[in-house]
Amino acid sequence: EAGVTQFPSHSVIEKGQTVTLRCDPISGHDNLYWYRRVMGKEIKFLLHFVKESKQDESGMPNNRFLAERTGGTYSTLKVQPAELEDSGVYFCASSQVDGTTTDEQFFGPGTRLTVL
Amino acid sequence: LAKTTQPISMDSYEGQEVNITCSHNNIATNDYITWYQQFPSQGPRFIIQGYKTKVTNEVASLFIPADRKSSTLSLPRVSLSDTAVYYCLVGPQNTGFQKLVFGTGTRLLVSP
Repeated sequence: EAGVTQFPSHSVIEKGQTVTLRCDPISGHDNLYWYRRVMGKEIKFLLHFVKESKQDESGMPNNRFLAERTGGTYSTLKVQPAELEDSGVYFCASSQVDGTTTDEQFFGPGTRLTVL
Repeated sequence: LAKTTQPISMDSYEGQEVNITCSHNNIATNDYITWYQQFPSQGPRFIIQGYKTKVTNEVASLFIPADRKSSTLSLPRVSLSDTAVYYCLVGPQNTGFQKLVFGTGTRLLVSP
């Protein structure tokens, strides 16, 4: 079974440019999460989708970040325009809750974003 | 969500048992304790979860005292491949809406 995949693995852009990160969750997982770790900091929650709906976007830093999950499958996270402080590793995770499991989140390998 | 405190780093040798303790004094009644492992250039990976007493799986054991204000992750006979960052997380489970709150984690280095 394929795990969570993310694309690209690494992106280097200049300040002011736009970047779009993609996450493909495990097939059948309704829950999709975005997290990020900026340099020297802890992994922080950004937002949570349940299918195509945003359940919790309390961690989104500002309106330069836009996440979508059209059709409830893959998700994109767009940063426009990118700033230096956006540099870090962006993780995607997915989970499925059926009331009997521990709703473990499965993480992708992350996308390393470098803004110059 | 309950705040957790754990050692910044630990060193061990291959074959030893490693115990990593996490403090969570403000744990709530409906909170579970979960541990994740993260290798370099990878995302975190679920290891084990428990509510009270002891939980064991093929990877590790989790010991939780009666007051639940702390927990200990035990890795038996570590190998070089166990070198990773280990995160202790506390929060409600089986809700479908849990956002994970990561602390600084414990960086474990296993040497030959």
